[in-house]
Amino acid sequence: DQQVKQNSPSLSVQEGRISILNCDYTNSMFDYFLWYKKYPAEGPTFLISISSIKDKNEDGRFTVFLNKSAKHLSLHIVPSQPGDSAVYFCAASDGAQKLVFGHGTRLTINP
Amino acid sequence: ETGVTQTPRHLVMGMTNKKSLKCEQHLGHNAMYWYKQSAKKPLELMFVYSLEERVENNSVPSRFSPECPNSSHLFLHLHTLQPEDSALYLCASSRTGQGYTFGSGTRLTVV
Repeated sequence: DQQVKQNSPSLSVQEGRISILNCDYTNSMFDYFLWYKKYPAEGPTFLISISSIKDKNEDGRFTVFLNKSAKHLSLHIVPSQPGDSAVYFCAASDGAQKLVFGHGTRLTINP
Repeated sequence: ETGVTQTPRHLVMGMTNKKSLKCEQHLGHNAMYWYKQSAKKPLELMFVYSLEERVENNSVPSRFSPECPNSSHLFLHLHTLQPEDSALYLCASSRTGQGYTFGSGTRLTVV
């Protein structure tokens, strides 16, 4: 049972436009959500997080939105840059030690 | 450098070999993890160590044997692996309730 789902395996966006990556979850006990970015042959690196007490968190070009009633979160990147091309993983935690990851979405930014 | 160091970065081993992957963190984290990432698959959690005790083993074959001698070091001992075990093996660490810091991974090829 996949508790964290990223339904789009890939996404292509033109440079300068907005990239929107989506993530859905099923476990209502999740209260902390993170986005990780991964380049080929490297480990994932933390990008941005949000606690369930908030519905938005912004850090520079990156904004994460959380809709608890829909069990949905999204990552917005604006403006998109070529260096943003990577695989993006959504992850969730219920406060315990373990993070549950989605399958990832491969984002390609086209010049 | 993320603060989590994995060695070696690349490893090629035969099916009858015995080798070990090493992970080291000096971030003061109290939990460490082994993940496996195969091509076109999500991150698969293998083992979780919390305060040096193994708290999770996700049905991993016995040819993979973890060891956590102290809170800063984590090993994954490998023996009689199969070609399908070829993957990127990622180590991560965390403090309770916080996100993970990943290492760069070991790219393992079993021949």
